Amino acid sequence: DQQVKQNSPSLSVQEGRISILNCDYTNSMFDYFLWYKKYPAEGPTFLISISSIKDKNEDGRFTVFLNKSAKHLSLHIVPSQPGDSAVYFCAASAVNNNDMRFGAGTRLTVKP
Amino acid sequence: DSGVTQTPKHLITATGQRVTLRCSPRSGDLSVYWYQQSLDQGLQFLIQYYNGEERAKGNILERFSAQQFPDLHSELNLSSLELGDSALYFCASSVARNGYTFGSGTRLTVV
Repeated sequence: DQQVKQNSPSLSVQEGRISILNCDYTNSMFDYFLWYKKYPAEGPTFLISISSIKDKNEDGRFTVFLNKSAKHLSLHIVPSQPGDSAVYFCAASAVNNNDMRFGAGTRLTVKP
Repeated sequence: DSGVTQTPKHLITATGQRVTLRCSPRSGDLSVYWYQQSLDQGLQFLIQYYNGEERAKGNILERFSAQQFPDLHSELNLSSLELGDSALYFCASSVARNGYTFGSGTRLTVV
């Protein structure tokens, strides 16, 4: 069941420009959303999260936006750096569930 | 080092065989989650254990089973292996639902 969808398998941007990664979800019970970053041969690492009571959360170059009515969230990276090249997973969980559902991931490539 | 340890890192086995993947959670974390990542697929939730008890089940096949031991380490058992079971298997641990920490995974290749 694809409750969390990342429809873009890959994204390529130039260094210094903005990277925008998108994620859609179907389960209206989801109330907590996260982005994870994964390098090859490593496990995913937590990047940034947002609760459903907020519509924006910022941490340095990373900002997550949540549009609850559209069941859509996005991750903005500004400015993008070559070290940001990785696979980014969107994840969501519901207050009555402990397990987290992940999207298929978007491979970001930042070109120097 | 994330604090979550998975062994082995790589495993190659034949179809029909049985393997056991091991995960040691981060110190203090009571929950262990298992995820499967097949080629070009996202992380598929398999199962969660909390303090030794099964807490949630996802898309886990009947040929797969898991358990969490009193010392909180967990094992994922995969039996009657098929070629399609080849994947990366990740374990994560957490204290709260927003505190997932992943291990570096076990790459299983079934030949």
